[in-house]
Amino acid sequence: AQTVTQSQPEMSVQEAETVTLSCTYDTSESDYYLFWYKQPPSRQMILVIRQEAYKQQNATENRFSVNFQKAAKSFSLKISDSQLGDAAMYFCAYRSPLGGATNKLIFGTGTLLAVQP
Amino acid sequence: DGGITQSPKYLFRKEGQNVTLSCEQNLNHDAMYWYRQDPGQGLRLIYYSQIVNDFQKGDIAEGYSVSREKKESFPLTVTSAQKNPTAFYLCASSFPRGANTGELFFGEGSRLTVL
Repeated sequence: AQTVTQSQPEMSVQEAETVTLSCTYDTSESDYYLFWYKQPPSRQMILVIRQEAYKQQNATENRFSVNFQKAAKSFSLKISDSQLGDAAMYFCAYRSPLGGATNKLIFGTGTLLAVQP
Repeated sequence: DGGITQSPKYLFRKEGQNVTLSCEQNLNHDAMYWYRQDPGQGLRLIYYSQIVNDFQKGDIAEGYSVSREKKESFPLTVTSAQKNPTAFYLCASSFPRGANTGELFFGEGSRLTVL
């Protein structure tokens, strides 16, 4: 069974600085999808970024980028120019390939990010 | 605006009572999910449904029940058999298999507290 591990329960970053959140996963599948979700204090889950395993190029979305290392099964999130609004719980998630038995996401335990002014 | 609506946002229950959490979506998604969130444990899948009138157990289905009579609706009942029901519950939906990249769209959640 697939598992997702986030080894940093809490992180802190100064406003305007860069922070990297770690995520590792375990799977025997060769094709899959990886996601980072943000959960602010409002508790609404928001998709931050998505990576397809068959793509070698790392995904980027404005100030958010990932470092996808398929062989190492690592999927870290880098937040550049951190803003106060980035303070939230961040979840890494894994999904089996399209056409699989289910579309369900498997989540890590989350990293709580604090942004210091 | 399209989205997922969960109700109620806050719910209090006495021990031994069943409660039902509502989840409605107008995104025309086929698949719907219920997750439970506890501190330090991330999100765990309770039940999911990929099509009307069909649903499957997730990782922690014991003490819960669901129905999927309409595409738009996927209510979750927390029964008295659930030993530790106090938690935050999230409903989600997604495009059907074979379409899009399968990201989940989430509601705002329901907080259930057992007194």
